[in-house]
Parts: sequence; structure tokens; C-alpha cells
Amino acid sequence: EADIYQTPRYLVIGTGKKITLECSQTMGHDKMYWYQQDPGMELHLIHYSYGVNSTEKGDLSSESTVSRIRTEHFPLTLESARPSHTSQYLCASSGQGISYTFGSGTRLTVV
Amino acid sequence: SQQGEEDPQALSIQEGENATMNCSYKTSINNLQWYRQNSGRGLVHLILIRSNEREKHSGRLRVTLDTSKKSSSLLITASRAADTASYFCATDAGGNQFYFGTGTSLTVIP
Repeated sequence: EADIYQTPRYLVIGTGKKITLECSQTMGHDKMYWYQQDPGMELHLIHYSYGVNSTEKGDLSSESTVSRIRTEHFPLTLESARPSHTSQYLCASSGQGISYTFGSGTRLTVV
Repeated sequence: SQQGEEDPQALSIQEGENATMNCSYKTSINNLQWYRQNSGRGLVHLILIRSNEREKHSGRLRVTLDTSKKSSSLLITASRAADTASYFCATDAGGNQFYFGTGTSLTVIP
């Protein structure tokens, strides 16, 4: 299975809390991505990184932020969670090849 | 948006039958990939077809690409209950990002 890990798998948190979703990969991939997946399955790119100290916003506007201090680590942070942030968050990476390797996802519920 | 659209949205078949799902996209691409997602999990890469290829096979999977119609199809032959999952196409237009389709939910009934 994929060498990319997301924690936690499930998170239920109250409105206004600060949360960080973790994503780590052991493949040495330069490129990493965060996708938000709607209940209807569509994936939206919210952040990506092409290497250390490189981060960009994706097509879908998001109130989250990311950092890339180490190649293997690409955490996503929500400073103040809201019910509208309830979704599944998928982390992915790619190296020299074209295909993506995905983590198992974090299902976030904000109550 | 470059995002593709899969058709049908949902498909239910008997075990042993073939499953066909289609993907349409909007702009010229370098390659197109198909991914599979089991319920509550991440996506797994299945197969890639380049823009200069018309057909590709991998085990029970057959992918076709028609760049003139901006469409691709994924055929799963002799389906099994374990093939139950959602299937997504993803297109690469050269910007180092993939655009994923809306997905087809496949149910294979034992």
C-alpha cells in the first residue's frame, strides 16, 4: 500500500478550534498536494507544493494554510474550524513519475 | 474548469459482467489517468494513457482515449465484488496538476 500517511483518520471538533491535519510520505517525493473531497465525490485541489519552502493555493479557495519545512511533511492547518469545513481531506504526492500516491484521508467533522 | 465528468454517476452490475465508464474533459491534455477509490479511503492509481495512445490494457482493465472527442473510457471485464469502488479519471494539461472528474460509483453484486 501507499507510503503516505495521514493522521488522524477521523476528527470531530468544535467550531472555533484550531486543527492541524498531518501528512507524511517516505518516498522522497518533491511534489505534494491537498485535496478536499465533497460528499458527492468531486475532488478539489486546495494546496500544493513543489518542494521545501514552496507552497501554492489551488483552484478551490480555502481558509486553510500549509507549510513545507521538510520534504516528507506537508501539514494543513485550520486556524478556526467552522461547520463549512466538514469534508474529507486527501493528501497526495508525486515524484519523477506522473501518477499520484494518495493517503487514506482525514474525515473532518466540525460541530 | 478543466475538470472532467464521468458518466454514469452510478453503475450497478452483476458479478461476471463487464463495466464501462466514460470520462469527458474540456481542454487538450498530455495524458489521462484512471484512479480507484474504495469507500472512505484514498485514491489508487490504476492506469495511464498518453495523448498519442488510443488504447491500453492492464489485466482486466482496458482504457481507450479519443482526443478528437476529448473522451476516455474504462472497461473492467469479468467484474468481481471486490471491484466495487468509485472510479475517477484525471487529466494532465501540462501544469503539473491533475484535474479529477466527478467519479463513477460502481457496485458489483455477487
